[in-house]
Amino acid sequence: SAVISQKPSRDICQRGTSLTIQCQVDSQVTMMFWYRQQPGQSLTLIATANQGSEATYESGFVIDKFPISRPNLTFSTLTVSNMSPEDSSIYLCSVELEVDRGNEQFFGPGTRLTVL
Amino acid sequence: AQKVTQAQTEISVVEKEDVTLDCVYETRDTTYYLFWYKQPPSGELVFLIRRNSFDEQNEISGRYSWNFQKSTSSFNFTITASQVVDSAVYFCALMEYGNKLVFGAGTILRVKS
Repeated sequence: SAVISQKPSRDICQRGTSLTIQCQVDSQVTMMFWYRQQPGQSLTLIATANQGSEATYESGFVIDKFPISRPNLTFSTLTVSNMSPEDSSIYLCSVELEVDRGNEQFFGPGTRLTVL
Repeated sequence: AQKVTQAQTEISVVEKEDVTLDCVYETRDTTYYLFWYKQPPSGELVFLIRRNSFDEQNEISGRYSWNFQKSTSSFNFTITASQVVDSAVYFCALMEYGNKLVFGAGTILRVKS
């Protein structure tokens, strides 16, 4: 399995500011993913972050708003830029690892963001 | 296009009742994977099961069982003898080529004592 940590665990931010969320994994992984879970909603994939290449964004998400870094195989950051109250969500990173029963996606504990 | 439908928004049962959570998916791929995750009130996502499209065998793990039927594009999840600790949001998810998960809307399960 994988141990994934995220920092911060939660934050309250002012409109117009930016927040960078960190995701650390205890093993080297090729693929990392960032998801958003708006209040009472399901999870939506923001982007896929592979080490050594630009992140691939899903429809509705753009690099200017959610820049991502992937400097090595155990770490990634997601920045939520120029925040508005609509960005209030839980942001989760996940990684895919090969385990006995096949590939499995493990999720971090999430970062609860509230934008005032 | 891919889509995962969890038609049950919320289910309430009394402890020890059996409960089935429905999941219907759409995909054009012949190779895909289906998942169930549990999200308790604490918020973390807990992996429950992964099933590939070529394995239609039903699976049982303790009080949990899963029924995968390709003919109806369904991957239903049953909890036998439910307990209060089973109260959570349960998500069904589909993965196609590219390893991206598409989640259903989730089903809130409330188990009352």
